[in-house]
Amino acid sequence: NAGVTQTPKFRVLKTGQSMTLLCAQDMNHEYMYWYRQDPGMGLRLIHYSVGEGTTAKGEVPDGYNVSRLKKQNFLLGLESAAPSQTSVYFCASSYRTATIYGYTFGSGTRLTVV
Amino acid sequence: QQQVKQSPQSLIVQKGGISIINCAYENTAFDYFPWYQQFPGKGPALLIAIRPDVSEKKEGRFTISFNKSAKQFSLHIMDSQPGDSATYFCAPNFETSGSRLTFGEGTQLTVNP
Repeated sequence: NAGVTQTPKFRVLKTGQSMTLLCAQDMNHEYMYWYRQDPGMGLRLIHYSVGEGTTAKGEVPDGYNVSRLKKQNFLLGLESAAPSQTSVYFCASSYRTATIYGYTFGSGTRLTVV
Repeated sequence: QQQVKQSPQSLIVQKGGISIINCAYENTAFDYFPWYQQFPGKGPALLIAIRPDVSEKKEGRFTISFNKSAKQFSLHIMDSQPGDSATYFCAPNFETSGSRLTFGEGTQLTVNP
């Protein structure tokens, strides 16, 4: 029972390159989320999904796109990476009511854009 | 928009001491108040949570105190241990939907042996 798995764990990109971060969950959760974590700013929601085939913008969506073609997977794409996107990215999933069990987070992807 | 504000940003306590972290929120419609704990290199994990119908909830060494009129809730860690050294986030939200958590900025706790 792996929970939430993120790949890759580390990545260095050059400005302007593109990449996709992968998130997979095996708990049959309906909701999935992508957050970024920066020092002193907590976790900020980038995009989220309330079900297969649906996505929505969070607090800081600019420069990112997402897709949820399968219930268990949530992909985060950077079309043209910028140094401001250097961050630690966390994927999370939850039941529709996240309160009882809370969110389950992955271990994060540390991305550096040079 | 800053709906959630945590204090202090960092906290250093001695082993056996009491750690207190505060969270202030603006949205009076929030009805579920959790704290998340994050160890280095890991994602956050739910630690303890409270609903507004009670003023205090205790689980082992961890206690949440809730002050509805002041729109604040706090995390108390009794008999703090070096293993409690982590970053703590509050994330008040709505129980009925429970999604799209808004996290505080985080408090980095260091417990010295």
